[in-house]
Amino acid sequence: TQLLEQSPQFLSIQEGENLTVYCNSSSVFSSLQWYRQEPGEGPVLLVTVVTGGEVKKLKRLTFQFGDARKDSSLHITAAQPGDTGLYLCAGAGSGGSNYKLTFGKGTLLTVNP
Amino acid sequence: GAGVSQSPSNKVTEKGKDVELRCDPISGHTALYWYRQSLGQGLEFLIYFQGNSAPDKSGLPSDRFSAERTGGSVSTLTIQRTQQEDSAVYLCASSLRGLAGGELFFGEGSRLTVL
Repeated sequence: TQLLEQSPQFLSIQEGENLTVYCNSSSVFSSLQWYRQEPGEGPVLLVTVVTGGEVKKLKRLTFQFGDARKDSSLHITAAQPGDTGLYLCAGAGSGGSNYKLTFGKGTLLTVNP
Repeated sequence: GAGVSQSPSNKVTEKGKDVELRCDPISGHTALYWYRQSLGQGLEFLIYFQGNSAPDKSGLPSDRFSAERTGGSVSTLTIQRTQQEDSAVYLCASSLRGLAGGELFFGEGSRLTVL
């Protein structure tokens, strides 16, 4: 069973601060995705990283995939209240199980104005 | 519709009753997934459909849970003899072909409360 550990579980910060969320596993993933979920809605994809060491930037969000494809991080610069939500990382299995996403428990981020 | 549609959005039932949850995926998406999200937990994989077939149903918690998909489109998740531990949000997602680096599009979920 592939497990993804996310930390921290909860994060409350002030507008303008920077933050990093971590996603770690002992398993290798063929790709890793980050989703954001708001209350009462389903998760929405933010990014997919595929190559070990890959870095992707999406405006104020920077995503990194570890060299060994076992871990990932999400860094947010100058957080805004609109960034509030549940951030979920999800890893796709390799080979014949690459259709299946394993999710972490999520990081609940609150950005206070 | 433009997105994944799930119904009902909320369901309250008594312990021991059966419930059916419906998912209408994005048109043309061959892959369909059911996940369960409990308080404080991440998304727990239940079942994966490719077309009408379910090559992976390994996440179904017990034989009280079953799912089917017809016409390569609508899927129904059925929970028989519901228990309080079945209370959760049940999320459906569809994908154009099945992950392989692709995007899962999620519905808003069906919140099930078993009293």
